[in-house]
Amino acid sequence: GQQVMQIPQYQHVQEGEDFTTYCNSSTTLSNIQWYKQRPGGHPVFLIQLVKSGEVKKQKRLTFQFGEAKKNSSLHITATQTTDVGTYFCAGPGAGSYQLTFGKGTKLSVIP
Amino acid sequence: DTEVTQTPKHLVMGMTNKKSLKCEQHMGHRAMYWYKQKAKKPPELMFVYSYEKLSINESVPSRFSPECPNSSLLNLHLHALQPEDSALYLCASSQTGGDTTDTQYFGPGTRLTVL
Repeated sequence: GQQVMQIPQYQHVQEGEDFTTYCNSSTTLSNIQWYKQRPGGHPVFLIQLVKSGEVKKQKRLTFQFGEAKKNSSLHITATQTTDVGTYFCAGPGAGSYQLTFGKGTKLSVIP
Repeated sequence: DTEVTQTPKHLVMGMTNKKSLKCEQHMGHRAMYWYKQKAKKPPELMFVYSYEKLSINESVPSRFSPECPNSSLLNLHLHALQPEDSALYLCASSQTGGDTTDTQYFGPGTRLTVL
């Protein structure tokens, strides 16, 4: 089946520093979705990117979809302790119903 | 309302017990999902129901038995589980399920421990 590779697995940053997580696929993706899971919580949908080269912003979060629609990134500017959690990207799986999740990037923010 | 509810929040069961997990959504979504999530891992798809019919069973052992009584409810019946089945069980729903651009909304999960 399709795989979405996500790096890094872990990231520790000082509060106020920036953070970026990357997702890559060997095949073209029709779309990519991003989810955040707080410690002890459940995945919460953040955003979906569909168009080649698309860039979307949500306050301090910037999401990009590559021109070839094979990679995506999530960048957080000036991290805060509320940003702590695991960020997952997810692309379409082998079937129409499926999401294939990346392994996630666990973000720790040191106050 | 983008809420998916799940009960119970926590469940401890023995290997000979029979229990059920419940999930409910009132967003009018026609696709509902069960995922299993082990610690430090991404969610793994178990089952998909679309329009109340089982569409996908990801080779899940028969000790897990899903049921979709109506478009708002999804159950997962558990019987003769093993300790390695201990995990967070997440329910999700999406508008139709037949479109890869569907957003999936997750419930808070049931944390299951099998003794």
